[in-house]
Amino acid sequence: DSGVTQTPKHLITATGQRVTLRCSPRSGDLSVYWYQQSLDQGLQFLIQYYNGEERAKGNILERFSAQQFPDLHSELNLSSLELGDSALYFCASSVELRPQHFGDGTRLSIL
Amino acid sequence: AQTVTQSQPEMSVQEAETVTLSCTYDTSESDYYLFWYKQPPSRQMILVIRQEAYKQQNATENRFSVNFQKAAKSFSLKISDSQLGDAAMYFCAHDSNYQLIWGAGTKLIIKP
Repeated sequence: DSGVTQTPKHLITATGQRVTLRCSPRSGDLSVYWYQQSLDQGLQFLIQYYNGEERAKGNILERFSAQQFPDLHSELNLSSLELGDSALYFCASSVELRPQHFGDGTRLSIL
Repeated sequence: AQTVTQSQPEMSVQEAETVTLSCTYDTSESDYYLFWYKQPPSRQMILVIRQEAYKQQNATENRFSVNFQKAAKSFSLKISDSQLGDAAMYFCAHDSNYQLIWGAGTKLIIKP
């Protein structure tokens, strides 16, 4: 158990819809990272927050947004969903930067 | 650009034997970390081992060890006494600018 909690584990929805993925970091970790893993591919960094503030942004679409709340949990919002958004979405956390411990991921399926 | 290259899409090894997975990276930074992660069929992402670039000594975690060659920008993973539970995708990663840069992964097959 990495101590990083992601909910829900599975999410099935339709194109055009909006979903919210939630992440609770390990106790004491201030940084939260979001990654996307499409089928049979490596991970793509989306965005990082540190103590409530956005610190780095990767290949995140404009339809996607995220935030980190005062209690340090984070949410990733995906809107106007397309078939290509089907993927495994990972949250990771760390005290500063290294190492990064991962949650079990949320598997998003777009029908 | 920061890149991580895993040149072996798939490797197989006999149970109880030793296997080495290759990884090379490109960076202009002097202080950085390198990681190996394991992703079994359950799709969890599990940290296997990490190496701080400023440390000359190669990291070791039980049956897992690395061969870190900083000048060559090489970071290979050696798995000794391979077990069936080691079957997974293995990803090499390098940290840069608050994010991890990932290799494409190597699928490790363990033959009983």
